[in-house]
Amino acid sequence: AAGVIQSPRHLIKEKRETATLKCYPIPRHDTVYWYQQGPGQDPQFLISFYEKMQSDKGSIPDRFSAQQFSDYHSELNMSSLELGDSALYFCASSFRLAGLNTGELFFGEGSRLTVL
Amino acid sequence: AQSVSQHNHHVILSEAASLELGCNYSYGGTVNLFWYVQYPGQHLQLLLKYFSGDPLVKGIKGFEAEFIKSKFSFNLRKPSVQWSDTAEYFCAVKAAYTGGFKTIFGAGTRLFVKA
Repeated sequence: AAGVIQSPRHLIKEKRETATLKCYPIPRHDTVYWYQQGPGQDPQFLISFYEKMQSDKGSIPDRFSAQQFSDYHSELNMSSLELGDSALYFCASSFRLAGLNTGELFFGEGSRLTVL
Repeated sequence: AQSVSQHNHHVILSEAASLELGCNYSYGGTVNLFWYVQYPGQHLQLLLKYFSGDPLVKGIKGFEAEFIKSKFSFNLRKPSVQWSDTAEYFCAVKAAYTGGFKTIFGAGTRLFVKA
């Protein structure tokens, strides 16, 4: 079965550079979520999109932005990178069952960002 | 605010020992409950979920969890762990709020199983 696809899997950037992460949800999933997981930490919710509109916002820094496109894929744009942005960035997608989102998240394998 | 508490941050067991990981949540409304597992270097994968019905749910790899509504708990159990169960386990709760819903994760419990 198709899963959530994230690219790139690994990314190395220097401080103050920008980075873009991409996420392709499972087909027919209409909601995309971004999570940041620092070393030894639990996933922290950044932002989510439903039907191309931002549906919820978590602890996403102002230096980050994201959007969901017409094909439902999403991109997370990170600017002015800091050392503390080094983390694993997970994308997850979900679908609606009988019109309701169950809250079950299907995770991608993550994009590991290292900021030097 | 809604929150999810996992009682143990680290658990060390020997193979064949029984496992119980605690999870409590604070939310008075209807919830959907999940346990996810993250093996070393991998992404989160769903172990099991509870939406409604039988409060004892069975998941993959011999795991089960029991929803006790009166205790706001959803503890994960496995009768006999294996070395390959070494991973981090996250409890998650989907709770509705004004304008939408959130899936909230607990801080995770790192399980290390000694061979």
